[in-house]
Amino acid sequence: GAVVSQHPSRVICKSGTSVKIECRSLDFQATTMFWYRQFPKQSLMLMATSNEGSKATYEQGVEKDKFLINHASLTLSTLTVTSAHPEDSSFYICSASSALSYNSPLHFGNGTRLTVT
Amino acid sequence: QKEVEQNSGPLSVPEGAIASLNCTYSDRGSQSFFWYRQYSGKSPELIMSIYSNGDKEDGRFTAQLNKASQYVSLLIRDSQPSDSATYLCAPAGANSKLTFGKGITLSVRP
Repeated sequence: GAVVSQHPSRVICKSGTSVKIECRSLDFQATTMFWYRQFPKQSLMLMATSNEGSKATYEQGVEKDKFLINHASLTLSTLTVTSAHPEDSSFYICSASSALSYNSPLHFGNGTRLTVT
Repeated sequence: QKEVEQNSGPLSVPEGAIASLNCTYSDRGSQSFFWYRQYSGKSPELIMSIYSNGDKEDGRFTAQLNKASQYVSLLIRDSQPSDSATYLCAPAGANSKLTFGKGITLSVRP
């Protein structure tokens, strides 16, 4: 089945530093990937839609200069949390669907648990 | 208006019972639906896909799609404590960003 690899699974960083999270589709091509954030006991919230070869589309309230998204190829999207602060501590998840089929389901990465100290 | 409304839950059933999870949707153009399961602290995983009207069975799980009434359901037979999770329904389609709602939280009591 389709596999999405997300790395790292867990990261602890100091306030003010930047963290990069990678999302790779291992056995399929994805023109679109999605980035989500989930705080404890809350819903999965879509942050942005990452489009290969073009700028990401951010959801309302998500700062594009703080959460930099790069989708350089059909199999890789990265999310960089810049100047991280403790309130950015959360569970970040990416997902992707195959570019080949309109009705393809989303496949999720295992998530990255970010802790900013 | 939300694309999909997840109508039932939180839901608590005893072990061995049938759990019925229901969603309604507003876009009549939605042709296919997916059910995802998310355990606490984990990312969602796809558990069922349904592409046509009617029922689709896979082991203890049955997905139902009723396009006339615009609802999609997931039945879990012989519920197990390991089924305790949040379940998310979402339509297929390139425009589906899967802006999940809260999902349906299922708790199966031993």
